[in-house]
Amino acid sequence: DAGVIQSPRHEVTEMGQEVTLRCKPISGHNSLFWYRQTMMRGLELLIYFNNNVPIDDSGMPEDRFSAKMPNASFSTLKIQPSEPRDSAVYFCASSLEVGGPLGPSVLTFGAGSRLTVL
Amino acid sequence: AQKITQTQPGMFVQEKEAVTLDCTYDTSDPSYGLFWYKQPSSGEMIFLIYQGSYDQQNATEGRYSLNFQKARKSANLVISASQLGDSAMYFCAMREASYNNNDMRFGAGTRLTVKP
Repeated sequence: DAGVIQSPRHEVTEMGQEVTLRCKPISGHNSLFWYRQTMMRGLELLIYFNNNVPIDDSGMPEDRFSAKMPNASFSTLKIQPSEPRDSAVYFCASSLEVGGPLGPSVLTFGAGSRLTVL
Repeated sequence: AQKITQTQPGMFVQEKEAVTLDCTYDTSDPSYGLFWYKQPSSGEMIFLIYQGSYDQQNATEGRYSLNFQKARKSANLVISASQLGDSAMYFCAMREASYNNNDMRFGAGTRLTVKP
């Protein structure tokens, strides 16, 4: 298995530009998570999907951020317009959720996308 | 709401010694899972160990063990026989078991440095 695949690995852009980060979860996984990591705020959950449906987007910082999951094998996180304070590492993670007495499953993380907004 | 607390921003340990990284949590859900992840300087998030709230025994994975004290709501990670490669950030995390409330929240992390 190739694991969770994120692209691009590094992105440098100028303030005001649109940024799109992409994620391919592990095949068969039914939950997908977007996190942002900064020195100041640590690992923050931005949004997560179950079976391609957004469940909780309360962590999305502003209307400039949007996330989609058009199918089980692809998700995007878009920032428009980008600002310097959006500079961070953005992680995508996926899991296979079965719920019930088997309990919560392990999240497998992608390698992350490091975003720098100048 | 879930809350994960890691009170040790940094820890040092001598190579080959054991070290305990602290984690406390807060939840009102009786069914939940506790996780530890390692993040080396290269940046990837590596899953280490899992403990379910109903598990009777403490979880172990090789040199990693989890000291689970449910009444105290603590889930400390114990690393035995530390190696130089164990130097990294370590994150404690928790998920509740409800299908539509199963997001994973992380603590602030502990930076472990193993000294030769």
